[in-house]
Amino acid sequence: DQQVKQNSPSLSVQEGRISILNCDYTNSMFDYFLWYKKYPAEGPTFLISISSIKDKNEDGRFTVFLNKSAKHLSLHIVPSQPGDSAVYFCAASAWTGNQFYFGTGTSLTVIP
Amino acid sequence: DAGVIQSPRHEVTEMGQEVTLRCKPISGHNSLFWYRQTMMRGLELLIYFNNNVPIDDSGMPEDRFSAKMPNASFSTLKIQPSEPRDSAVYFCASSLAQGAAETQYFGPGTRLLVL
Repeated sequence: DQQVKQNSPSLSVQEGRISILNCDYTNSMFDYFLWYKKYPAEGPTFLISISSIKDKNEDGRFTVFLNKSAKHLSLHIVPSQPGDSAVYFCAASAWTGNQFYFGTGTSLTVIP
Repeated sequence: DAGVIQSPRHEVTEMGQEVTLRCKPISGHNSLFWYRQTMMRGLELLIYFNNNVPIDDSGMPEDRFSAKMPNASFSTLKIQPSEPRDSAVYFCASSLAQGAAETQYFGPGTRLLVL
């Protein structure tokens, strides 16, 4: 069973608008969450993370929000740029563990 | 600094053949992970090593899959015999584990096609 779920396989957004990517998890032991970005023919690269002691973490145009009670996190990209077009994976881990559980990914297309 | 290096980048083989995928982690990293990416299941962890010792191989699909890490700078993932359903992209990742979850750095992947 998938412990981390990304229910939207794809998302299209106009350049300059906000992109919102969503992720849900089932394991209440998870307390560290990450987003990875993947371009075609490349490995995933780390984008941003958040620990459960926070509900928001911001890095430039990227903000991750965590709602622990709902077991939900989201990645906001604003403003979206064509170079943001990629597959985004959500991942979760227990802080004391070394293993990440990944979602199935959301393919974001930013239309110029 | 070189990132995680994987070889080959592409592999096409026939059903029943042995396939060996190779990975060189980032120097100084002491954890290594093998993942498989498919459309249906996304990134699945197959096995991970800490200080060259396999810690969790519960994600290895079946006995046809085996992985080794003979030293800190090299790991292999072997499939024998290979089957068409093994076709996927296989990623290796490494991290500097310090008793807590740390960012993993991924290689470019090996795209495997089993005919």
